[in-house]
Amino acid sequence: NAGVTQTPKFRILKIGQSMTLQCTQDMNHNYMYWYRQDPGMGLKLIYYSVGAGITDKGEVPNGYNVSRSTTEDFPLRLELAAPSQTSVYFCASSLSPRGTGYYEQYFGPGTRLTVT
Amino acid sequence: TQLLEQSPQFLSIQEGENLTVYCNSSSVFSSLQWYRQEPGEGPVLLVTVVTGGEVKKLKRLTFQFGDARKDSSLHITAAQPGDTGLYLCARALNFGKGTSLLVTP
Repeated sequence: NAGVTQTPKFRILKIGQSMTLQCTQDMNHNYMYWYRQDPGMGLKLIYYSVGAGITDKGEVPNGYNVSRSTTEDFPLRLELAAPSQTSVYFCASSLSPRGTGYYEQYFGPGTRLTVT
Repeated sequence: TQLLEQSPQFLSIQEGENLTVYCNSSSVFSSLQWYRQEPGEGPVLLVTVVTGGEVKKLKRLTFQFGDARKDSSLHITAAQPGDTGLYLCARALNFGKGTSLLVTP
């Protein structure tokens, strides 16, 4: 199993451009997540999904959109990129917490995005 | 959002030393996860602690969950350069800011 894969690894965008960060998992996890990580700030949840067709906002959703048409894929869309969106973006997946009561997440390798 | 405070923020030690890092909150946890993130990579789950007072060991790493389930610690014995990384604690989808550990030969 490849686990969670993300593309691209690196990207430079100009202010106002748009792009989609791709995320795929092959572990048949229902739950998927997008985080951003800024230096010294930990991981902040952008959006999450509990299954195909269901998405919800996290702590920092502004400027982003997501869709979940399949169990495997959870792309993150940036519209009108701004310098404040310069960050490292991580996709993650997990089983439902309903069985255990907790989340154990598997992370992708990240996408390093610079907006100039 | 439940605030998770991690300390210290940075730690630089020499190979062979022991160290302890902490994760604290004013709220009770039903469970807590510890992750390690190596430079340029995504976080990797190390352990989940669930029961107050629980101790789990993973080779040279010892994880403890406080009796009141408001705090947790990670102790590394005889640190090695391969232990270098950012150690994050998490409760559900909330992460602490992490402890950045550097182990030099």
